[in-house]
Amino acid sequence: EAQVTQNPRYLITVTGKKLTVTCSQNMNHEYMSWYRQDPGLGLRQIYYSMNVEVTDKGDVPEGYKVSRKEKRNFPLILESPSPNQTSLYFCASSFLGKLFFGSGTQLSVL
Amino acid sequence: SQQGEEDPQALSIQEGENATMNCSYKTSINNLQWYRQNSGRGLVHLILIRSNEREKHSGRLRVTLDTSKKSSSLLITASRAADTASYFCATGPQGSSGGTSYGKLTFGQGTILTVHP
Repeated sequence: EAQVTQNPRYLITVTGKKLTVTCSQNMNHEYMSWYRQDPGLGLRQIYYSMNVEVTDKGDVPEGYKVSRKEKRNFPLILESPSPNQTSLYFCASSFLGKLFFGSGTQLSVL
Repeated sequence: SQQGEEDPQALSIQEGENATMNCSYKTSINNLQWYRQNSGRGLVHLILIRSNEREKHSGRLRVTLDTSKKSSSLLITASRAADTASYFCATGPQGSSGGTSYGKLTFGQGTILTVHP
């Protein structure tokens, strides 16, 4: 089944403790991206990648890192999480401009 | 930055009625898309309309695009309780290579649709 898989689904952590949210797609899409969704602010793009080893900042990249070492994987890294990064995160891959989303990761930073 | 603005913010209807949601945007676009989100889950692509198209249909969905007014509407006909969800419009920027936007979409804040059985 074609899908975007992100893990974990829920994550509670404390300020400053490094974490990684994984994302994998099995559709051989070149383009992948990360969004965060916050009440009243909608979805905002954090980072995107147009292919292996090619990444660029989206609209809200501060406090996040990404890497794209292989086509299928696009992990999101929070080196030192802060409470304002509490949010619902989505990974997505894209084909012909259409986005295919993962199921989301609800992150709480205490 | 926010591009699409949906209207209304919330819509409550009875099963069998039609639901219409509107989206306005600010800058020129390559395409406009509608997505659906069930309570905290991932968004699902519904339909894409290109800037040179005026209307598109997919099952019970009808989307219109008026580039002169920078607006779009999504009509769901004969709604069902299972249509209860949030609906988002998203715009792809003009000038994208090959007619695609490589997923560089800008989302609105969504319309919450509730369909009562």
